[in-house]
Amino acid sequence: QPVLTQSPSASASLGASVTLTCTLSSGYSDYKVDWYLQRPGKSPRFVMRVGSGGIVGSKGDGIPDRFSVLGSGLNRYLTIKNIQEEDEGDYLCGADHDSGSIYAYVFGTGTKVTVL
Amino acid sequence: EVQLVESGGVVTQPGGSLRLSCAASGFTLEHYTMYWVRQSPGKGLEWVSLISWDGISTKYADSVKGRFTISRDKTENSLYLQMNSLRTEDSALYYCVKDANSGSLGSWGQGTLVTVSS
Repeated sequence: QPVLTQSPSASASLGASVTLTCTLSSGYSDYKVDWYLQRPGKSPRFVMRVGSGGIVGSKGDGIPDRFSVLGSGLNRYLTIKNIQEEDEGDYLCGADHDSGSIYAYVFGTGTKVTVL
Repeated sequence: EVQLVESGGVVTQPGGSLRLSCAASGFTLEHYTMYWVRQSPGKGLEWVSLISWDGISTKYADSVKGRFTISRDKTENSLYLQMNSLRTEDSALYYCVKDANSGSLGSWGQGTLVTVSS
């Protein structure tokens, strides 16, 4: 199953843009990754799924247009444009591995985003 | 509106048993794959178990295989997690999660806290 790697922290000034990266381990370049936002003291919230060709399916409920994704090689990116205070929190990526007999859903360790 | 309300989390001793419940509303639970995911400060988010939409397939993380059992009740529209032979490392906030129709973890409950301690 894949290992997902994320930087521990990122920051951006109010109204600026920030791009977060989730890197799949070698050999998993065709995998899709899910992005989640967890605000302090809250449950995770699904943002959207991204594959090598970009977004897969629909965004999560209420996710604004300023959130977008891209995929390239082993990297899956989440970009937040015009970042707002309510975008602050931990951004986690996850991926499912289903080979029929073996299933696992794995998470990265998350990137804490601070809005300055 | 989708709502998932977990319950059953308590403080219990190692070796004990516990059953978590998740009451679903706003959708028919048996039409969706459902998951349990846990979160502890030391280990982050960890997928625990799933039950497929048709109820045929259940899957477990290696860390809980043979000790935990996922099930559902369509008349109650509820999901359950029977937890046996509990260990201190099972201490976590347990979330009930609804599939987003794609394998993504679409909707999350507020969680129920399990503490395993002597």
